[in-house]
Amino acid sequence: AQSVTQLDSHVSVSEGTPVLLRCNYSSSYSPSLFWYVQHPNKGLQLLLKYTSAATLVKGINGFEAEFKKSETSFHLTKPSAHMSDAAEYFCVITGGFKTIFGAGTRLFVKA
Amino acid sequence: DADVTQTPRNRITKTGKRIMLECSQTKGHDRMYWYRQDPGLGLRLIYYSFDVKDINKGEISDGYSVSRQAQAKFSLSLESAIPNQTALYFCATSEGKGDWSTDTQYFGPGTRLTVL
Repeated sequence: AQSVTQLDSHVSVSEGTPVLLRCNYSSSYSPSLFWYVQHPNKGLQLLLKYTSAATLVKGINGFEAEFKKSETSFHLTKPSAHMSDAAEYFCVITGGFKTIFGAGTRLFVKA
Repeated sequence: DADVTQTPRNRITKTGKRIMLECSQTKGHDRMYWYRQDPGLGLRLIYYSFDVKDINKGEISDGYSVSRQAQAKFSLSLESAIPNQTALYFCATSEGKGDWSTDTQYFGPGTRLTVL
């Protein structure tokens, strides 16, 4: 069985401060993990993915995530938030012929 | 031009009507997917197709059917729409050259469907 839990439904940060979006997972398989971003009225776009290579994964727009097997986590971080980062973020797990999306975390960025 | 397109972008219909949502892609990908998005629930997989002759049910296929007319086209039908099918529907594609679980999916812009 697999599951993914995004620990925060909303996160609010000020522009220029760090971003942390938390994701925990559960899997009976060796999972692949993804972060996708959805801007308002748009489809989802891949930010980064982990597929059993390097545990620290760098993505687009300065985002990165670290796969921590011991903590079953795959948190998304960015050192300095930009106004354009305001969007909804989805953590996704695949394996065993299933794709499971987290419920999403909406990121607000204050000027 | 967008690689994955969906038509219509918005649709309002009545309970009991038959509705078809269409998806086309120019990425040349073999694998295509239909999802629905509901607030607070993320995306849930309705159907997926790994090639033209391969159709599989996803997590929530009841009340839906699909047709893979060609590599580039994958349609979703609601035979008799009901209000709890009101949602945002996304089509996605992936390349499918190896282990599908590592595929990046490419999403269309979505279709907002309202069933009254």
